[in-house]
Amino acid sequence: DVVMTQSPLSLPVTLGQAASISCRSSQSLLYSDGNTYLNWFHQRPGQSPRRLIYQVSNRDSGVPDRFSGSGSGTDFTLKISRVEAEDVGVYYCMQGPHWPSLFTFGPGTKVDIK
Amino acid sequence: EVLLVESGGGLVQPGGSLRLSCAASGFTFSIYSMSWVRQAPGKGLEWVSYISGSSGAIHYADSVKGRFTVSRDNAKNSLYLQMNSLKDEDTAVYYCARDGLYWDFDSWGQGTLVTVSS
Repeated sequence: DVVMTQSPLSLPVTLGQAASISCRSSQSLLYSDGNTYLNWFHQRPGQSPRRLIYQVSNRDSGVPDRFSGSGSGTDFTLKISRVEAEDVGVYYCMQGPHWPSLFTFGPGTKVDIK
Repeated sequence: EVLLVESGGGLVQPGGSLRLSCAASGFTFSIYSMSWVRQAPGKGLEWVSYISGSSGAIHYADSVKGRFTVSRDNAKNSLYLQMNSLKDEDTAVYYCARDGLYWDFDSWGQGTLVTVSS
């Protein structure tokens, strides 16, 4: 099975400062069609998850440009250039569709304000 | 606007059954694959099941295979999850999610809580 890991699992940040979350997979996420299906989600406390980034680096509609995704193969990064109060919550990376589990989430990184 | 509304959660004893529903609106339901994703209290996200638009492709996580059955009724714009032989560890908020074009989930419902306890 593909195992997704994230670091750090907890990330206290100062408002206005940059933040970075690492996501690693146990095997390459390069799919047979030449694409890499690595996605990032954000879940605010008490809310449903929301997609932020798809296919490694594509921001979802309405996602501020302070969010950026990068990486390839097994190593991926989500960066927030200047953290704002609304950015608190848990960030999950997720891979698809490497079998036998069609989708696999990372354990999540909790971001809060110092 | 895409809207997904789950229902059917509640308290059930171990070994019992429950059927979840997800009502979809704001998009052409029949052409989208759908998934169920769950989140145990205080824990992370776990994908549970996937069904293609035509119901021709269905997949389950190993943790629920043989106990859960996903289905859909495109005429009713509805997704279902029949959960049998429930265990304590199935306690979670269950979300229905629309599969985007990139093996991802581009829209989520608000979730419905399933509690398995005696």
